[in-house]
Amino acid sequence: SQTIHQWPATLVQPVGSPLSLECTVEGTSNPNLYWYRQAAGRGLQLLFYSVGIGQISSEVPQNLSASRPQDRQFILSSKKLLLSDSGFYLCAWTPPGQGAFAGYTFGSGTRLTVV
Amino acid sequence: GEDVEQSLFLSVREGDSSVINCTYTDSSSTYLYWYKQEPGAGLQLLTYIFSNMDMKQDQRLTVLLNKKDKHLSLRIADTQTGDSAIYFCAEIRGSSYKLIFGSGTRLLVRP
Repeated sequence: SQTIHQWPATLVQPVGSPLSLECTVEGTSNPNLYWYRQAAGRGLQLLFYSVGIGQISSEVPQNLSASRPQDRQFILSSKKLLLSDSGFYLCAWTPPGQGAFAGYTFGSGTRLTVV
Repeated sequence: GEDVEQSLFLSVREGDSSVINCTYTDSSSTYLYWYKQEPGAGLQLLTYIFSNMDMKQDQRLTVLLNKKDKHLSLRIADTQTGDSAIYFCAEIRGSSYKLIFGSGTRLLVRP
């Protein structure tokens, strides 16, 4: 069966520090991968998605970047965090070739607090 | 993401029915979804409806779709305290790879 892992679950980082959040999927090949952010009291904002290794689509200009160094690994990074980067970050995947039609499967999320 | 609109809060008594409403934007959306988020957790897919359907029922959940008005609703029958959560509607928009979410409706079930 397929599973998705995100870590860490909770992170407190100072302003100006770097960030690396990791997401991995097991039990499937060539998944579509997604990073969403949920700010406090708000909905989900799509940040990046990837349909293959090295292929990253960015949805909004921001202080963050994403990379997909391996088929089932998706990394969210920042060189210098801002206070506005605080939020709940969710990774998700969908089966290959089906886009979003099959619905997303989400990880358990990382709560990032920038202080 | 806020183009998909939902009311922010709903409070119901245990045993009553809950109806959560959503207005979406893309009349060409083929699938529409309802997700549930419990506190501190990721989102769980509850159900979805294909755009050629008006209604879909799955146990206590009933989804109604009004394509003319671009209105989607989720009815939860016999609401339980365990149903307390944030409920998100979502649509596929533009690229078939992207789900666009509403801002979520927080459902509080009172004993």
